[in-house]
Amino acid sequence: KAGVTQTPRYLIKTRGQQVTLSCSPISGHRSVSWYQQTPGQGLQFLFEYFSETQRNKGNFPGRFSGRQFSNSRSEMNVSTLELGDSALYLCASSSEVGGPGELFFGEGSRLTVL
Amino acid sequence: AQKVTQAQTEISVVEKEDVTLDCVYETRDTTYYLFWYKQPPSGELVFLIRRNSFDEQNEISGRYSWNFQKSTSSFNFTITASQVVDSAVYFCALSEPSESAGKSTFGDGTTLTVKP
Repeated sequence: KAGVTQTPRYLIKTRGQQVTLSCSPISGHRSVSWYQQTPGQGLQFLFEYFSETQRNKGNFPGRFSGRQFSNSRSEMNVSTLELGDSALYLCASSSEVGGPGELFFGEGSRLTVL
Repeated sequence: AQKVTQAQTEISVVEKEDVTLDCVYETRDTTYYLFWYKQPPSGELVFLIRRNSFDEQNEISGRYSWNFQKSTSSFNFTITASQVVDSAVYFCALSEPSESAGKSTFGDGTTLTVKP
């Protein structure tokens, strides 16, 4: 079974630009969540999508947005990039059988904002 | 609000030593789920265990064991006879069914270094 795939793995942007990150969940998983990981803030929940609908959102500004497609693939977008957006962005999928289950994480997209 | 505290930022042991990673959580829900994940240097978080709030049985899986105590809101993780391959960042996490299933609150992680 293929794991969670995130692209691109690494990217460098400058302040003010925007970025789109992609995530393909494990086949059959309908829930896709996004997390931001930084040395100072740790792992912070961004948002979760389920069946193309945003089901939950973390405490991030509106510059962070996402969407999910009918095949469960998800994208997240960050507009007007700031230096503080430099982070590892992790995508996770889950099957939710029997309650909140384990999250299957991708390897992440490492974003550097210059 | 839910919160997970991993007070140990870094732990260093010598191979074959036993090591315990502490996790204390806060939640208002009576039903909740606790998790441990491992993040090796490659960066991908790997699930280790899930425990729901109604199951206080301790669990052992090979060299790994978990001690869940609701009375102290703790879910500690012990590695017996540690090995160099155990070196990683370990995260404790909490998920509440009242929130969506994909939302977990993570602790700050404990970096474990096992020296040969």
